[in-house]
Amino acid sequence: GAGVSQSPSNKVTEKGKDVELRCDPISGHTALYWYRQSLGQGLEFLIYFQGNSAPDKSGLPSDRFSAERTGGSVSTLTIQRTQQEDSAVYLCASSLASGLPSYEQYFGPGTRLTVT
Amino acid sequence: SQELEQSPQSLIVQEGKNLTINCTSSKTLYGLYWYKQKYGEGLIFLMMLQKGGEEKSHEKITAKLDEKKQQSSLHITASQPSHAGIYLCGADIPSTDSWGKLQFGAGTQVVVTP
Repeated sequence: GAGVSQSPSNKVTEKGKDVELRCDPISGHTALYWYRQSLGQGLEFLIYFQGNSAPDKSGLPSDRFSAERTGGSVSTLTIQRTQQEDSAVYLCASSLASGLPSYEQYFGPGTRLTVT
Repeated sequence: SQELEQSPQSLIVQEGKNLTINCTSSKTLYGLYWYKQKYGEGLIFLMMLQKGGEEKSHEKITAKLDEKKQQSSLHITASQPSHAGIYLCGADIPSTDSWGKLQFGAGTQVVVTP
């Protein structure tokens, strides 16, 4: 079946512009996660959604970052007034559910964001 | 916070040889994941371990979680060029009310030479 898809695969933007990154999870997966991978910080958790519950935003680095998930499926990560330190690969993952015992998380190919 | 340390940072192995990567935590691991990543690509799920002493195998890759649930190892038998890449261990971040988000080790880069 189809895996997690993300778009665009690459995005180059000017400092100060807003960007939107999209994630399509695996069909039927109720949990969706956003992570960021950068050279200096490795792979970091940003935010996750589980069903209709309020998202866990504890990993968002600043209030310039926000995400929404419409209809329990597609998610959009928005970065406002981008800064050069936002340059990274943004990875989305989904799982059947979340909680203990743990559920396998499947990752998309990522969006490489470059802020010039 | 829980830190995940991977060792070694990188290794070069001759094709056909075995290799082992370790992932260590100072705290109890809940849901230990192993992923593989090729440069510029997403993470490929390999295995997930949850119970102390658990061991899983897929093709030539075996992963174990120790009894204390603080260390995991990934072992590749008779390595092939297709095994080259970056191996990442991840674990559930302990929480009182929000389970599912993962933290990751820094990764181990594996190079397989002819």
